Amino acid sequence: DTAVSQTPKYLVTQMGNDKSIKCEQNLGHDTMYWYKQDSKKFLKIMFSYNNKELIINETVPNRFSPKSPDKAHLNLHINSLELGDSAVYFCASSQGSRGSGNTIYFGEGSWLTVV
Amino acid sequence: DAKTTQPPSMDCAEGRAANLPCNHSTISGNEYVYWYRQIHSQGPQYIIHGLKNNETNEMASLIITEDRKSSTLILPHATLRDTAVYYCIVGGRGGGADGLTFGKGTHLIIQP
Repeated sequence: DTAVSQTPKYLVTQMGNDKSIKCEQNLGHDTMYWYKQDSKKFLKIMFSYNNKELIINETVPNRFSPKSPDKAHLNLHINSLELGDSAVYFCASSQGSRGSGNTIYFGEGSWLTVV
Repeated sequence: DAKTTQPPSMDCAEGRAANLPCNHSTISGNEYVYWYRQIHSQGPQYIIHGLKNNETNEMASLIITEDRKSSTLILPHATLRDTAVYYCIVGGRGGGADGLTFGKGTHLIIQP
């Protein structure tokens, strides 16, 4: 069974559109994340979220918003898509506890292309 | 910004041990050292992590120096499928919503 799954795997859309990427984890983890990997292969955290706090990377435009209907899901909504949003988006989850580290498990990525 | 320094690339012969170094001289006392790898077109994969002691699992061994300012990831018998970008990361004390910050990593190429 896939631990962290995200859909769609590939998405091609036009500038100005609004799109969502869904993510589900079946690991029972409390914390979920969204990472972005651009064309230069830099992997940057966008959001981290659990039922207590949402941490937003300050460099992320407010066109991006995470939505969590329950702790097993963290969907990524993107409004008014721009060419520069083209990237691979990775969902991830973790169940760290104080003193044991914070191992993060990643999904396989969603390739977003804005044309 | 990443708090680690890694060589941008390394080669290793298939069947030999691959030793990937990482410097993290500013690591704080309660931060862990994590290693991940990313095979082309796949999501990052957790390999191993440690705090002070050396660690070993089915994938690799992690050697952390006594002063914790550097570490080495060892793949004991490298195969072609180990070709990937390897990331050394410090942080993640655990709990809350702490994420991990990835640097540029080391592109390890296993040669046949």
